[in-house]
Amino acid sequence: ETGVTQTPRHLVMGMTNKKSLKCEQHLGHNAMYWYKQSAKKPLELMFVYNFKEQTENNSVPSRFSPECPNSSHLFLHLHTLQPEDSALYLCASSLLEGNEQFFGPGTRLTVL
Amino acid sequence: GNSVTQMEGPVTLSEEAFLTINCTYTATGYPSLFWYVQYPGEGLQLLLKATKADDKGSNKGFEATYRKETTSFHLEKGSVQVSDSAVYFCALSDVSGGSNYKLTFGKGTLLTVNP
Repeated sequence: ETGVTQTPRHLVMGMTNKKSLKCEQHLGHNAMYWYKQSAKKPLELMFVYNFKEQTENNSVPSRFSPECPNSSHLFLHLHTLQPEDSALYLCASSLLEGNEQFFGPGTRLTVL
Repeated sequence: GNSVTQMEGPVTLSEEAFLTINCTYTATGYPSLFWYVQYPGEGLQLLLKATKADDKGSNKGFEATYRKETTSFHLEKGSVQVSDSAVYFCALSDVSGGSNYKLTFGKGTLLTVNP
C-alpha cells in the first residue's frame, strides 16, 4: 500500500457543485497537510493538522473546508469554487517530531 | 522569514550530461534542507536531504551538500538519464508555531533530458 493515497485523482466540477477530496496515510504519522500547486506558482501550504487539530490556515478562502477525523484521514470539502481554484491539490503527512513530509499523488481539480 | 531561491528553468540536457541545479536559502535558524522530485502526473517524492552543515545527501546518483557559509544546497548528478526528466524542488524546513516542521519550497526547476 502506497504511503499516502489521494482520491479522486482527477475531478471536474462546476462552480455550484460540492465535492470532497480525500487523503489517507498509512505511515503512522500524526501531522497532515494540504497544498495547492498551480501552474507557474510555488507550492502553497493551505492547512496543517497536528493530532487532528488544525494548527495552520494560510488565509485560505472559506470555500475550502478541511476536516481531519483522525490522524490517518484528511478531507478537503469544496463548495462554490472559482475557475482560478483549478490546480493540483497535494496531501502530505509527517511524524510530529520529524521534518520530512511524504506526499500523495495529488488530485487534479478543474473548475468549469 | 525563510525563503528558497532556485535556478529558473527549464533545463534541457542530453543523456549522460552533467547536471547542476542551484539552490540558495535564507533562514533565521538552522534548517534542514531537501530536494524533492515530481515526475509527470505524480506528487512530490523526497530525493535527498541534509540536516546540518557539511552534510551530503545522496540518492539515485544525485548529490547535494549543505553549505552554511554560502547558504546553498546545489543539486548535482554526474550523468543524467532520460528517466530523470522531472521537476525538482529545493526546500527547507523550519519549526512552525507548533511542533510541525513547515516546509518552504522553491519554485521548481523543470529538467528535460533528451536521448
